[in-house]
Amino acid sequence: DSGVTQTPKHLITATGQRVTLRCSPRSGDLSVYWYQQSLDQGLQFLIHYYNGEERAKGNILERFSAQQFPDLHSELNLSSLELGDSALYFCASGNYYTFGSGTRLTVV
Amino acid sequence: GENVEQHPSTLSVQEGDSAVIKCTYSDSASNYFPWYKQELGKGPQLIIDIRSNVGEKKDQRIAVTLNKTAKHFSLHITETQPEDSAVYFCAAAKTSGGSYIPTFGRGTSLIVHP
Repeated sequence: DSGVTQTPKHLITATGQRVTLRCSPRSGDLSVYWYQQSLDQGLQFLIHYYNGEERAKGNILERFSAQQFPDLHSELNLSSLELGDSALYFCASGNYYTFGSGTRLTVV
Repeated sequence: GENVEQHPSTLSVQEGDSAVIKCTYSDSASNYFPWYKQELGKGPQLIIDIRSNVGEKKDQRIAVTLNKTAKHFSLHITETQPEDSAVYFCAAAKTSGGSYIPTFGRGTSLIVHP
């Protein structure tokens, strides 16, 4: 157990829908990073939050948004879902990128 | 931005053999090079890292080497065991003020046959 908790582990939803992925960082970690992992794109950085503030943005689509709450957990919101959004979504916390086990999103 | 190339994409070895995974990076300002191991159903896990002021680093059966001039770094695993079977990712990053955003290679699937 890495100490980074992601829920749900699996999610199946239809095109056009909206989902929320949740990440609880390791105790004491202020940073949360979100990554998308797909077979054709590899591990792609989406967004970084530090103590509630957005610090960096990567290849995050406008249909995606995230936030970090005062208790430091973070949520990644994916809307108007398309088949191509099917992927593993990971969050990582801390300076040395401790990853959670991911959420596998399948859009049908 | 940074571009990291990783080879090979698949590596199959016999137990006890050595395995070498190679990466190149494009941004000469990158100064931190972590390696991650991802087992099935899990997230990537940091296994070793190297900074640009060091040419080599070793931790038991794994070692990393860095050639800044050639912008090339490698992971070496000796005496491979079946439990080493996983996907390995290299990454490169510029550290700034304690934080960094690594750019990952596409991964190498290592298969160790008993």
